[in-house]
Amino acid sequence: NAGVMQNPRHLVRRRGQEARLRCSPMKGHSHVYWYRQLPEEGLKFMVYLQKENIIDESGMPKERFSAEFPKEGPSILRIQQVVRGDSAAYFCASSPPAGGSYEQYFGPGTRLTVT
Amino acid sequence: AQTVTQSQPEMSVQEAETVTLSCTYDTSESDYYLFWYKQPPSRQMILVIRQEAYKQQNATENRFSVNFQKAAKSFSLKISDSQLGDAAMYFCAYFLPGTYKYIFGTGTRLKVLA
Repeated sequence: NAGVMQNPRHLVRRRGQEARLRCSPMKGHSHVYWYRQLPEEGLKFMVYLQKENIIDESGMPKERFSAEFPKEGPSILRIQQVVRGDSAAYFCASSPPAGGSYEQYFGPGTRLTVT
Repeated sequence: AQTVTQSQPEMSVQEAETVTLSCTYDTSESDYYLFWYKQPPSRQMILVIRQEAYKQQNATENRFSVNFQKAAKSFSLKISDSQLGDAAMYFCAYFLPGTYKYIFGTGTRLKVLA
């Protein structure tokens, strides 16, 4: 059973470009969470999605950031008009539909560098 | 709001020795989960150990054990017989049922000396 997959693992964007980060949850998991890890800090929650629904986006910056989890395909975290402060590692986690969100399995992360 | 504090930015331990990493948290809830995660240079988050707050017995996983002091809101991780492969960042995390998010501390960098 493959774990949570994230791609790309590394992404370099120039200021003003768009960044798209993809996350495929574990097989059978329908809940996806995105976290951001700034340098020398712990992970911080951004958004929680179920298929076709955003359940909690309380950790998402109000502008430039959006997330989706369509009926088919991976979850996407999109950052428009990236700035240097967006440079970070972005982690996706997934959990099964039953059993509670406390059981989150993390992907390997995408390291975004904005030049 | 819940917070998690790791007061040791960096720790060192001699190979084969024992080290304890500290974590305190702030919550007014009685039912929650606590975790220790290991993050090696690859950045993969690896679950080390989990503790349910309603369980009085401290969790143990091979060389890793916790000292859970609920009244003191303390959750330390003890690593016995330290190995070179234990070198990593270690994060303490809190989860409250009914919410969706882990709350992480800022991490402790563990160095293992040969």
